[in-house]
Amino acid sequence: AQTVTQSQPEMSVQEAETVTLSCTYDTSESNYYLFWYKQPPSRQMILVIRQEAYKQQNATENRFSVNFQKAAKSFSLKISDSQLGDTAMYFCAFMKPLGGDDKIIFGKGTRLHILP
Amino acid sequence: NAGVTQTPKFQVLKTGQSMTLQCAQDMNHEYMSWYRQDPGMGLRLIHYSVGAGITDQGEVPNGYNVSRSTTEDFPLRLLSAAPSQTSVYFCASSYGPGQGPRSGNTIYFGEGSWLTVV
Repeated sequence: AQTVTQSQPEMSVQEAETVTLSCTYDTSESNYYLFWYKQPPSRQMILVIRQEAYKQQNATENRFSVNFQKAAKSFSLKISDSQLGDTAMYFCAFMKPLGGDDKIIFGKGTRLHILP
Repeated sequence: NAGVTQTPKFQVLKTGQSMTLQCAQDMNHEYMSWYRQDPGMGLRLIHYSVGAGITDQGEVPNGYNVSRSTTEDFPLRLLSAAPSQTSVYFCASSYGPGQGPRSGNTIYFGEGSWLTVV
């Protein structure tokens, strides 16, 4: 069964700094999707970035980028030039797109505080 | 607007009462799921469905029932509410295998339902 582990329950960084959130996962599949979702205090779930396992190039969305290491089963999120609005809970998620067990599995989350 | 609609947003129940959380999506997604979110526990999967007429249990299914009579709707039923079911509930949907854009899939979430059982 797939598992997703976020080893940092809580982190704090100063505004404008760069921060990296870690995520590791366990699967025997070769093709899958990985996601980072942001959940601000409003509790809304917001997609930050998505990575397809068959793509070797790391996904990037403006200040957000990932370091996808398929062999190591690692999917870390880097936030550059952090802003106060980045304060939120961040969830890493795994989804297998091809048949069979289609559960979407989430990690337990990392609570990120951006300090002024 | 396209998306996932959850109702109600807030609900207070007495122990032993039953209720249904509604979830509807208008994106023709095959995959729908229900999660509960508790402090320090992340999002735990309750039940999920890969298409109309097909449902399966997730990580924490006890005390909950689901059905999927149409592609659009995936209601979650609490048969006899207990204080341990006090939580925030999220419905989510996405494309299933072979459906949707080849460039990648996205999980769409409802806005959440805050349930308190007293």
